[in-house]
Amino acid sequence: EVQLLQSGGGLIQPGGSLRLSCAASGFTFRSWGMTWVRQAPGKGLECVAAVSMSGGSTDYADYVKGRFIISRDNYKNTLDLQMNNLRVEDTAIYYCVQGTTVPAFWGPGTLVTVSS
Amino acid sequence: VLMTQSPLSLPVTLGQPASISCKSNQSLVYSDGDTYLTWFQQRPGQSPRRLIYKVSNRDSGVPDRFSGSGSDTDFTLKISRVEAEDVGVYYCFQGAHWPRTFGQGTKVEFK
Repeated sequence: EVQLLQSGGGLIQPGGSLRLSCAASGFTFRSWGMTWVRQAPGKGLECVAAVSMSGGSTDYADYVKGRFIISRDNYKNTLDLQMNNLRVEDTAIYYCVQGTTVPAFWGPGTLVTVSS
Repeated sequence: VLMTQSPLSLPVTLGQPASISCKSNQSLVYSDGDTYLTWFQQRPGQSPRRLIYKVSNRDSGVPDRFSGSGSDTDFTLKISRVEAEDVGVYYCFQGAHWPRTFGQGTKVEFK
């Protein structure tokens, strides 16, 4: 059974940093690209960042480029999202998602609230 | 790539069919020949769940009343007979181009 266990959300002031983590199990992690998708309160879905199977290739949405870093550890089967210089508009539920071109399984999501 | 869904709100009747359109402003045919159009269902308070991938492939466990069709830039999700558990928001998604993009979502609710 595929499981994506997420951690690391919370309340942070504008300009602050947070690190989200996703622990994967139930599938061959190194064989899947991974994506972070976010959903602002009451809004739709946005792809924030994606990473290739090896971790050697990453992509970012323009609005997080230079502030967020996606990374993975194929030995520990973990996916991370380092979020720096957070803005109020980054407030959202962040989902860890298996896959990139054809996303499959979604984690439960973790809420990030950026507010002073 | 802009993904445009219609309608954005879909009042449905139990047992009746329903249909959602998704149009992209660029072809979703990838260099490998596959078309990377996916449909997700998000029930209230839940994470999205994949229903259909590569236009018309239904995921395991998805009822056969759900079907996907289309090609290139024009796609459709159909529910042959709506059931109570189908209430939620449906999103199309393109994985052929970066940044990957979702449609705005179609809210399916009972009349």
